[in-house]
Parts: sequence; structure tokens; C-alpha cells
Amino acid sequence: SSELTQDPAVSVALGQTVRITCQGDSLRGYYASWYQQRPGLAPRLVIYGRNNRPSGIPDRISGSISGHTSSLTITGAQAEDEADYYCSSRDTDDDSVLFGGGTKLTVL
Amino acid sequence: HVQLQESGPGLVKPSQTLSLTCTVSGDSISRGGYNWTWIRQHPGKGLEWVGNIYHTGSFHFSPSLQSRLSISMDSSKNQFSLKLTSVTAADTAVYYCAREADLPFFFDSWGPGTLVIVSS
Repeated sequence: SSELTQDPAVSVALGQTVRITCQGDSLRGYYASWYQQRPGLAPRLVIYGRNNRPSGIPDRISGSISGHTSSLTITGAQAEDEADYYCSSRDTDDDSVLFGGGTKLTVL
Repeated sequence: HVQLQESGPGLVKPSQTLSLTCTVSGDSISRGGYNWTWIRQHPGKGLEWVGNIYHTGSFHFSPSLQSRLSISMDSSKNQFSLKLTSVTAADTAVYYCAREADLPFFFDSWGPGTLVIVSS
């Protein structure tokens, strides 16, 4: 089956811009959705579809897609953005669900 | 505002069956448009999809778990449940239930999660 690949860790200076990427063949057929997980809490949906945010998600968080790479961009990173971020999509082979390995974002 | 809550034993002995229930409020699990999903997270690790059940009652399981897994729903109680047989320490994880949309694909509501430890 397919897989989604994320960098294990990324850091960003406070107020700067950071991009977190997710690569996988399934992303040619399905948009990725993105989840933020703070320690001890359940994941929270932050981006879905082409570039949609649920209510309550700040507009400094955005999504994009190019080929088989989906990206989550945080423009003007804040301390509260420090978390683990996971991408997810359907597997085009068997319609199961894939998660990326997660990216730990540190805000310096 | 939909809410999900997992419930079940926090400790299961090896070789026994892990059983969890997710109680949904604010939405009907028998209404079309959403699927109902189990996701787990091993301690300190990433997210792993376990399986889901559609509003019609049909289901789809992770290939790695399908031989031990069953998922069912009780529309009268607005609950769906997971049973995982022959558990080992490798099944120790936080188990989340979530609401899944299909097109576009996303999980928009999650339960807080419940830690299940497999140990004698």
C-alpha cells in the first residue's frame, strides 16, 4: 500500500513562516487533511480540501498542493503553534486511510 | 456541535478481547454524509487508522488488523463499538473515535481518547 512521508521535526523562529510537507502517491488523487496535536490532547483538524479551515483555526495556517506533495504553511508562527502535525489521506490502492508519521514543530 | 466520547476498560490481559464504545452526541450516526472511525496512537508514536463503519453499517478495516477486528453500531444508542481480539502488548495505545467526512476527506470531530494498556 501507499504511504505518506513527513519530516520528523521542523523549527521556526517566533513570527517567521514555516512550511510542513507531506509526500505520497495518494495525494495525486486525494487532498490531504492536516491535524494539530498538542501534548496530552486529541488531534484537531486544521486544514482540509484544497485550503479550507474549520471555524476557530487562525488564517495564518494555510494549505496547498503541488503534484504529490501537500504543504501546511504557518505564516507568523506563534508559541501556541508548537505541536505535532499530521497529514492524512485515503489510500488510492484500497481506500483505507493513511497518516503521515508526523512533524514536531518547535517555535523558537 | 458534535461530541464523541470513548469508554471501556483501561486494562486488558494479553490474548483477551479489547472492547471500546464511542458515544456520539450532536449528530446521528445513522445519518448519511459521515463515517465513524477508530484511530489509535501508540505511546510516543504517530496516528494509526484502525477502521471505520459507514452509516449504512458497512465497514472498512486496516489491512494489518482486519483478521482481529470488528466494528459495529447501535443506532438506538447512537454508539459505535470496536472489538479487537487476541491482543498483545503491541495493542497498547490511546484509542480515539472520530467522525469522518468523505469528499473532501477529513476527520472533523474527535473524542478525547482513552488509553488501553495490555498487560497481565
